Amino acid sequence: AQSVTQLGSHVSVSEGALVLLRCNYSSSVPPYLFWYVQYPNQGLQLLLKYTTGATLVKGINGFEAEFKKSETSFHLTKPSAHMSDAAEYFCAVSVNTGNQFYFGTGTSLTVIP
Amino acid sequence: DAGVTQSPTHLIKTRGQQVTLRCSPKSGHDTVSWYQQALGQGPQFIFQYYEEEERQRGNFPDRFSGHQFPNYSSELNVNALLLGDSALYLCASSLAGTAGNTIYFGEGSWLTVV
Repeated sequence: AQSVTQLGSHVSVSEGALVLLRCNYSSSVPPYLFWYVQYPNQGLQLLLKYTTGATLVKGINGFEAEFKKSETSFHLTKPSAHMSDAAEYFCAVSVNTGNQFYFGTGTSLTVIP
Repeated sequence: DAGVTQSPTHLIKTRGQQVTLRCSPKSGHDTVSWYQQALGQGPQFIFQYYEEEERQRGNFPDRFSGHQFPNYSSELNVNALLLGDSALYLCASSLAGTAGNTIYFGEGSWLTVV
């Protein structure tokens, strides 16, 4: 069975500070890992994904995430927060059949000026 | 290149009524999945359609049903609406055949049951 845990439902950072959003997963098979962002009253937009290969993946808007198999983690980071980063962030896992996605409960990011 | 489009964007229904939501997938995609996102929660998988058949189903009752048409568009039907069905319903499309494919979401349909 697959599941995703996002530690911290709310994270606040100052503008220009490091952003770190945590995601841990549980999967019985090698997972594919995703981060999506959701702005108010909108659908989900892909930030980045890990399938195979390099464990450090770079996404849009300066975000990156590192797949650590030993820690079953896929934390999302950005060196310097911008006001426009304020949104809800979802970590998701899929497995190699059918593309069914399992989402975490989300982390709401607030950026303080 | 049109992305995933959904209709209607907002609707209000009464308990016990039925609702139909519609989705057109991203151009070139053949697989449509539906997700329910309750307020403050992550999306929950309802079911997936490919080649006009339901291929996978999440933990949702039979009141939730769907359909996929030959042009790959899809409908989600919910019968005997309950207050707890109030949520954002997201349609996602993808291309079958490659593991780890990205799914692309529409803007969603907000359903309020009163």
